[in-house]
Order: sequence, then C-alpha cells, then structure tokens
Amino acid sequence: EDQVTQSPEALRLQEGESSSLNCSYTVSGLRGLFWYRQDPGKGPEFLFTLYSAGEEKEKERLKATLTKKESFLHITAPKPEDSATYLCAVRPGTYKYIFGTGTRLKVLA
Amino acid sequence: DVKVTQSSRYLVKRTGEKVFLECVQDMDHENMFWYRQDPGLGLRLIYFSYDVKMKEKGDIPEGYSVSREKKERFSLILESASTNQTSMYLCASSPGTDEETQYFGPGTRLLVL
Repeated sequence: EDQVTQSPEALRLQEGESSSLNCSYTVSGLRGLFWYRQDPGKGPEFLFTLYSAGEEKEKERLKATLTKKESFLHITAPKPEDSATYLCAVRPGTYKYIFGTGTRLKVLA
Repeated sequence: DVKVTQSSRYLVKRTGEKVFLECVQDMDHENMFWYRQDPGLGLRLIYFSYDVKMKEKGDIPEGYSVSREKKERFSLILESASTNQTSMYLCASSPGTDEETQYFGPGTRLLVL
C-alpha cells in the first residue's frame, strides 16, 4: 500500500537551532516528491519538487534532499517566521498524490 | 506566478442546504483537484479533473459532485450539506505536463450547522 509518514509530528526549536524534518514513503513507483509549507488557516504553499534519489534543492534557509525511501527538509538557522506546518506528498501515479499529516514547527525567539 | 483563487474564505451553511465552492486558476493548467483537510487525517482527494467536462472520483466522493465547464474553473457542489462535511476545502491545479507540481488555493473553511 502506498504510504507517506512524516516525523516528528511536532518540533520546537530555538531561533538559530538547525534541524531536519523527515518524510518516509512507500510507493510502487515514485513520480515526484513535494514539500509544502502551510500556515494556520491557509492553503499549502509550494516549496520544492524532487524527482530522483540524490537530488537536492535549496531555498533560503531550507534544503530538501531525496533518497529511495525518504526525504529530508533541512532547516538551517531557523527564524520565528519559519514556524508553520510542513507537508510532504508523493506522486506514485497519474493524478494520484498521497500526503503525509505534516510536521508542526515552532521556532522560538 | 501561479494563482489559484477560491470564491470564499469562510462559509456557514445549514444542514440540507446546497453549497457551491468555486475555484479559478490563471495558469492554463490541465488538471484541477478538490481536497478536504481535517486534523489528523491530512489531505484527502474528493474529485479531480484532467480536462474540461472530464472528472474522476477521488478517495472520498460521497456527498459531493463537481463541474468543470471551462478550463480555468472547477466547482465543488455539496448537494445537501451535512455536519460531517464541516472541514477545510482546498482546491489545487497542476500543469498536466511532466512537471506535475500541484499549486493550492487559500482554502475555504466550511461550517455546517
């Protein structure tokens, strides 16, 4: 069964304390892995798309990496404005996307 | 910049009412999707459309219908709203090419009383 698991469910960091969020997946054939940021009461905001193992993408303090079984979202020297829920999704087939339940990140000043 | 808009941010409806949620995208995307998001359950696909007038059921289509008369517009219809349809509704679109990133609208928070 296709499945996405995100860990931890919640994470509290001090400002400047780097960490990583994990997205583990089990799919029959990966056609894309996506990271989104979601603020309370708003729609998910696109961050990154990764397609193959070994691929990495960066944007400001965020860096996403992909292996054959998992993806990491590394947050370097986070700021309070990075507080949000981070969602991971995989696309195992045409039109089908499977979402994790997210990691709630809180960065304290 | 991809822009997906939804007709309402908040809606309050009574049980049994017919509810229309509208979504418009301005990037000429082929595919459009409706999800609902509930705490602890993540995003669940209700319906998607890969072309005008074409639609496919997602994982939880019961109690919902959709309409796509124009490429840029995808409507979700609750024929007779029930309290268990209280949720956050999210519309998304994707290009329909090899690059299949979904882009989401701001969401509609629906409360059915």
